[in-house]
Amino acid sequence: EAGVAQSPRYKIIEKRQSVAFWCNPISGHATLYWYQQILGQGPKLLIQFQNNGVVDDSQLPKDRFSAERLKGVDSTLKIQPAKLEDSAVYLCASSLGVGGGGEQYFGPGTRLTVT
Amino acid sequence: KNEVEQSPQNLTAQEGEFITINCSYSVGISALHWLQQHPGGGIVSLFMLSSGKKKHGRLIATINIQEKHSSLHITASHPRDSAVYICAVRSRGSQGNLIFGKGTKLSVKP
Repeated sequence: EAGVAQSPRYKIIEKRQSVAFWCNPISGHATLYWYQQILGQGPKLLIQFQNNGVVDDSQLPKDRFSAERLKGVDSTLKIQPAKLEDSAVYLCASSLGVGGGGEQYFGPGTRLTVT
Repeated sequence: KNEVEQSPQNLTAQEGEFITINCSYSVGISALHWLQQHPGGGIVSLFMLSSGKKKHGRLIATINIQEKHSSLHITASHPRDSAVYICAVRSRGSQGNLIFGKGTKLSVKP
């Protein structure tokens, strides 16, 4: 079974530029999560989708971050414009069930450096 | 105060030593996860537990719901166990959202 795929693995941009990350969850997984992990911290949830609907985006900085999962499968996370403090690893995870619970499977992450 | 606290933050051990990492939490939970993160970012789930004890190979995870505390033990540690170990809890009634600790960085020396 293929795992959660993310791309790119690494990205370096200048502040005020825009960037997009892509995630393809495990086939059949209804729930998809985007996390931000700043160096030395645990991951922080940015947004959770169930199929193509948003369940929780309370910690997403909506003035600069956006995410979509239009067909309920893969997802993109965008930052526009980027700030220095956005430097972090962006992790995507998926889980099988709807309504929470169950194991979450993580992708390898995208390491973003904003200079 | 963070809802999930781990100790120690950093841990250095000699190969073969018995290792314990602790996790305390302040919310009611439906499940607790132990995760392993290697350099490069990828996270692997080690255990999900809601009561008692689980064992997988040299890893043992225990949880005491009354005391809101969990421990991860590694027996006969090996340099390949070097990683960051993260405790995460799913609060009761949440939509599957996990609250993460900051992680414990383990380095096992040969």
